[in-house]
Amino acid sequence: AQSVSQHNHHVILSEAASLELGCNYSYGGTVNLFWYVQYPGQHLQLLLKYFSGDPLVKGIKGFEAEFIKSKFSFNLRKPSVQWSDTAEYFCAAVSGGYNKLIFGAGTRLAVHP
Amino acid sequence: EPEVTQTPSHQVTQMGQEVILRCVPISNHLYFYWYRQILGQKVEFLVSFYNNEISEKSEIFDDQFSVERPDGSNFTLKIRSTKLEDSAMYFCASSESGLRPREETQYFGPGTRLLVL
Repeated sequence: AQSVSQHNHHVILSEAASLELGCNYSYGGTVNLFWYVQYPGQHLQLLLKYFSGDPLVKGIKGFEAEFIKSKFSFNLRKPSVQWSDTAEYFCAAVSGGYNKLIFGAGTRLAVHP
Repeated sequence: EPEVTQTPSHQVTQMGQEVILRCVPISNHLYFYWYRQILGQKVEFLVSFYNNEISEKSEIFDDQFSVERPDGSNFTLKIRSTKLEDSAMYFCASSESGLRPREETQYFGPGTRLLVL
């Protein structure tokens, strides 16, 4: 079955630390990949997405992600986190002929000042 | 910036009762979705809706569920006879054109937290 895995359920960092959140997907064909973020009390909102072209995708707020097809991965990175990055991060994928999002379990990030 | 809105934010109902969850998608969007997240579990796709008909639905979306676009602005999810296991956060989403739906950003509402007693 199609699935998305996020390996880290909780991450705690200090400000200025670097961040990498793992995401793996299990699809055989063309896949579109997304990272969404949910700040406390707010909507799910898009950080970045990949559907073709340069596998290194840059998003909002200094986030980037790299699509590595051979590893079925789409890890999210940020070189220096801020307290305001405290949120839950969701990796999601769309595959096949449909546009339903398949979500990972989410990673809760807490950044301490 | 335009947003997807949902009402109510919280709903408590008795098992067996009907509930209607309401969503107002972004005004020029043509593709609409419902997802849900049971506490402690993943966000799950329920249904997508385009051109006044269901485009795709999951196994969860059985005969107890229905969707409707009753007018030009609202998009509703009805659960005819709620069960305890329907307790979840329900998210509405919309995307722009449907021309390349797999590449388009889905914009999410804040969710309705449904509690079935």
